[in-house]
Amino acid sequence: DAKTTQPPSMDCAEGRAANLPCNHSTISGNEYVYWYRQIHSQGPQYIIHGLKNNETNEMASLIITEDRKSSTLILPHATLRDTAVYYCLVKTSYDKVIFGPGTSLSVIP
Amino acid sequence: DTGVSQDPRHKITKRGQNVTFRCDPISEHNRLYWYRQTLGQGPEFLTYFQNEAQLEKSRLLSDRFSAERPKGSFSTLEIQRTEQGDSAMYLCASSLNDGTYGYTFGSGTRLTVV
Repeated sequence: DAKTTQPPSMDCAEGRAANLPCNHSTISGNEYVYWYRQIHSQGPQYIIHGLKNNETNEMASLIITEDRKSSTLILPHATLRDTAVYYCLVKTSYDKVIFGPGTSLSVIP
Repeated sequence: DTGVSQDPRHKITKRGQNVTFRCDPISEHNRLYWYRQTLGQGPEFLTYFQNEAQLEKSRLLSDRFSAERPKGSFSTLEIQRTEQGDSAMYLCASSLNDGTYGYTFGSGTRLTVV
């Protein structure tokens, strides 16, 4: 069973920040938060992961609450190419990736 | 290296036929994973290999499914006696060790059983 809950869908205006929430209230101390996305007709793409601290890379930022029970993926300037399904998942370093239903993000012109 | 390659991209087969899919991972990745995805759902884990050893199989992987990675490089997934319920996207991914820094997925093979 998925250990995370995400809203099924969200909209975001092009050029604005997209903030995608994820709840993982049962996360264990050794589990990381991961985000992947899947653009239509392609395989999933790794975006970012984190344990406790906030993380940033060239694609996105990951904000994890202090209690680690929730997180937010931020796409700072959403473009039409960011329209995709975004998957939040938690796992230890040795677990396999298990996907839930994700959030379908639509970036609107 | 151009990433994870899957072949074919699309396969249409008649019910009862056998099909085989191939996955070529990133060359330095020692782990290889197979997932299945149906419309509107997230990918479901099927099985994974570390080098040539198959370390885990999901209960979704019925006896009609078999996967191999004979030399620890490319992998094949065979479905025998296909059923309409096997129609799905079959995704392959690879990672270096446990994939702490993410899996790299291929574009998948879309199977349609008619």
